Amino acid sequence: DAKTTQPNSMESNEEEPVHLPCNHSTISGTDYIHWYRQLPSQGPEYVIHGLTSNVNNRMASLAIAEDRKSSTLILHRATLRDAAVYYCILRVLVNAGGTSYGKLTFGQGTILTVHP
Amino acid sequence: ETGVTQSPTHLIKTRGQQVTLRCSSQSGHNTVSWYQQALGQGPQFIFQYYREEENGRGNFPPRFSGLQFPNYSSELNVNALELDDSALYLCASSRILGEQYFGPGTRLTVT
Repeated sequence: DAKTTQPNSMESNEEEPVHLPCNHSTISGTDYIHWYRQLPSQGPEYVIHGLTSNVNNRMASLAIAEDRKSSTLILHRATLRDAAVYYCILRVLVNAGGTSYGKLTFGQGTILTVHP
Repeated sequence: ETGVTQSPTHLIKTRGQQVTLRCSSQSGHNTVSWYQQALGQGPQFIFQYYREEENGRGNFPPRFSGLQFPNYSSELNVNALELDDSALYLCASSRILGEQYFGPGTRLTVT
């Protein structure tokens, strides 16, 4: 399975930007970089995804290195509600008997703590 | 727009029993994926259903099986429960190849 490497934990202060790094040196051309987060006692929540270009949405920004071997999730102003486990995932395209599906392989993720 | 719902919220079963977990997809989604999340671990992919057919499977034994219905809701069945099956079971709905939207999960405890 396609593998990503993330720090086990990071800390931030409220209202400051947070940069969550991810390494994915074995990424292949069709793998999308996905980020999900999981708040305590909830299911994972989709955050953002990208292929080659940087991406922005209302939740975060995703900066992808030119060689695609690393990426960074940017939370522009952390709030206490952003405290969660953040998963960086390579969505791998799997061909299965006539149809294809996108397989997500979750790792351990980064535990983000936000201090008031 | 109604999100992904799962039932029941919690369940306690005895080793050797069978269990059925249910998931209702988000409106407009035709794909359901199931995951198992042990305490302190990331979710592990069990299988995915698309248009009522299993079209992808992770490293789980055949006693884990599923169904998807014409309204795209889904069931996860686990036979011959083992203690190690105790976990949070998550379902996620999506359009095929789209981003996945997760339900809150069912907490299964096997004693």
